[in-house]
Amino acid sequence: HVQLVESGGGVVQPGRSLRLSCAASGFTFSGHFLSWVRQPPGKGLEWLAVISPDGSSAYYADSVKGRFTLSRDNSKNTLFLQMSSLRPEDTAVYYCSRLSAGTRWFGAFDLWGQGTMVTVSS
Amino acid sequence: EIVMTQSSATLSVSPGERATLSCRASQSVNSNLAWYQQKPGQAPRLLIYGASTRAAGIPARFSGSGSGTEFTLTISSLQSEDSAVYYCQHYNKWPPMYTFGQGTKLEIK
Repeated sequence: HVQLVESGGGVVQPGRSLRLSCAASGFTFSGHFLSWVRQPPGKGLEWLAVISPDGSSAYYADSVKGRFTLSRDNSKNTLFLQMSSLRPEDTAVYYCSRLSAGTRWFGAFDLWGQGTMVTVSS
Repeated sequence: EIVMTQSSATLSVSPGERATLSCRASQSVNSNLAWYQQKPGQAPRLLIYGASTRAAGIPARFSGSGSGTEFTLTISSLQSEDSAVYYCQHYNKWPPMYTFGQGTKLEIK
């Protein structure tokens, strides 16, 4: 079954760190660009970061640059989002997603996980 | 930064009628434009990519058009299950940035 499954969300205090994971199955994980998108409660979608298939390159939205780090372990078919210096405005559902095959950096997000909730609150 | 603007926050259409959703880019994104559907409590689902190509398994009543800065998602013969929020997204810019529109909530009367 082709799927992405996020984990690692929870409640965290402002200024602390949290690492999200996204486990993939049913497709060639190492062949795809992967991304994270978040959605604050009741609001729209915000793209956060994207990583190349070999993990050598990653790009970030300005809102998280310098605080969030994207990485992947192709041997374990897992994507990670390390989040540090968390702020209340980082409270959101975090989705991992897959870019369409063969599109390199310029592709639509054709597969999404179910999301994991992160709440930043004291 | 490319800004994506969806002209309607909410659209209310009767079953069986046609819904037309609009999306405008602040600069040309060529045809690097996708549409997503999101129902309450669910992850987004890709409907259209390349401005006009339906994703796998998407019914033919969903169609996309446009290029450059003006795009349209048309849903013909609306069904109750089409009630959702629809987002446009570009994927054209270097360095990579994949900006979403603010979404249009489609209500079925």
